[in-house]
Amino acid sequence: QIVLTQSPAIMSASPGEKVTMTCSASSSVSYMHWYQQKSGTSPKRWIYDTSKLASGVPARFSGSGSGTSYSLTISSMEAEDAATYYCQQWSSNPPTFGSGTKLEIK
Amino acid sequence: QVQLQQSGAELMKPGASVKISCKATGYTFSSYWIEWVKQRPGHGLEWIGEILPGSGSTNYNEKFKGKATFTADTSSNTAYMQLSSLTSEDSAVYYCARRHYGYSFAYWGQGTLVTVSA
Repeated sequence: QIVLTQSPAIMSASPGEKVTMTCSASSSVSYMHWYQQKSGTSPKRWIYDTSKLASGVPARFSGSGSGTSYSLTISSMEAEDAATYYCQQWSSNPPTFGSGTKLEIK
Repeated sequence: QVQLQQSGAELMKPGASVKISCKATGYTFSSYWIEWVKQRPGHGLEWIGEILPGSGSTNYNEKFKGKATFTADTSSNTAYMQLSSLTSEDSAVYYCARRHYGYSFAYWGQGTLVTVSA
């Protein structure tokens, strides 16, 4: 199965700061999807098909990448963005998730 | 709007079985795969498998074959996952989810906490 490695595992950012987190796949994938999860709640689809924002996701978020390297970027950190973000692939079975990047506000 | 409503938390004894439900509303239940995902602290998210309610077709992650069994009742728009021979390793939050064109999980239930303890 494809292993997704997210880095960093934990990070913090100040309001207004640019944030980038990465997801590295053990084999090439066609698309990467990202989820936001806050404590005690279900994951929410955040970015799908590598770069498409899910409904209601602020435009300060973006996704990019190809092959084995993907990233999620926040152009200007806001307090509400503090959460854990997971990447996910389904280019091959079984679909797999990364272990998550926990983003905290400074 | 699409909604997935899961059954409540369960406290189970080791060796027992548990059946979790996921009631779907807001779309044609029989036409979309229902996915099942496990989340344990420190173990991230794991895909258990999926069922297509209209046909009963299933796909399982090899890791969960023999552990999980999926069924669906189209008369009540409810999907079920049974977990058998429970151990402490099965203590987790279990989610049902649905895709929306493509291979991301667009809709999620609220999760069902299963705790296995003697």
